[in-house]
Amino acid sequence: SAVISQKPSRDICQRGTSLTIQCQVDSQVTMMFWYRQQPGQSLTLIATANQGSEATYESGFVIDKFPISRPNLTFSTLTVSNMSPEDSSIYLCSADRQGETQYFGPGTRLLVL
Amino acid sequence: TQLLEQSPQFLSIQEGENLTVYCNSSSVFSSLQWYRQEPGEGPVLLVTVVTGGEVKKLKRLTFQFGDARKDSSLHITAAQTGDTGLYLCAGAQGGSEKLVFGKGTKLTVNP
Repeated sequence: SAVISQKPSRDICQRGTSLTIQCQVDSQVTMMFWYRQQPGQSLTLIATANQGSEATYESGFVIDKFPISRPNLTFSTLTVSNMSPEDSSIYLCSADRQGETQYFGPGTRLLVL
Repeated sequence: TQLLEQSPQFLSIQEGENLTVYCNSSSVFSSLQWYRQEPGEGPVLLVTVVTGGEVKKLKRLTFQFGDARKDSSLHITAAQTGDTGLYLCAGAQGGSEKLVFGKGTKLTVNP
């Protein structure tokens, strides 16, 4: 398994501002992913963070709104830009080291006022 | 269209009862994972099944992957209050590392 940490664990932000979420894995992994989850709901994939190249975004998510960095094989960041209350959610990162098994971080709880 | 249909969406039972959660699709998956998520935490992997017809047991939890690799079930025997949480199934389709998640089953086990 992989141990994944996220910072911050939670934040309250004003609309129009941006927040960068960090994801750190305890070992090198091939794939890292970013998800959004409404409380009590399932997970929606935002993008795949590719090391050394641009992230691959899912339908409905764009780089200008959710820029992602992946500078090495253990770290990634997701920025939520120009936030609105609709961006209030739980943001989760995950890592894949054994093919198709993903391990998740504890999540970042974001509230936009 | 939801690729993975998970049922029931909500389940409230008494401690000691048995339950089954289902995950169904018209698509074939190369593997399927089951996760449990508690409030304020990220999903925790319970099991990965990869072979059609495979059955895996984890203490009181029994996981089955359908013969055609299109469906899966999770059966819990003698549920305990500690089993309370959101259960998520997620499937991987061949050639992709991306997972497709079901909508989840929110299980409450009452003392």
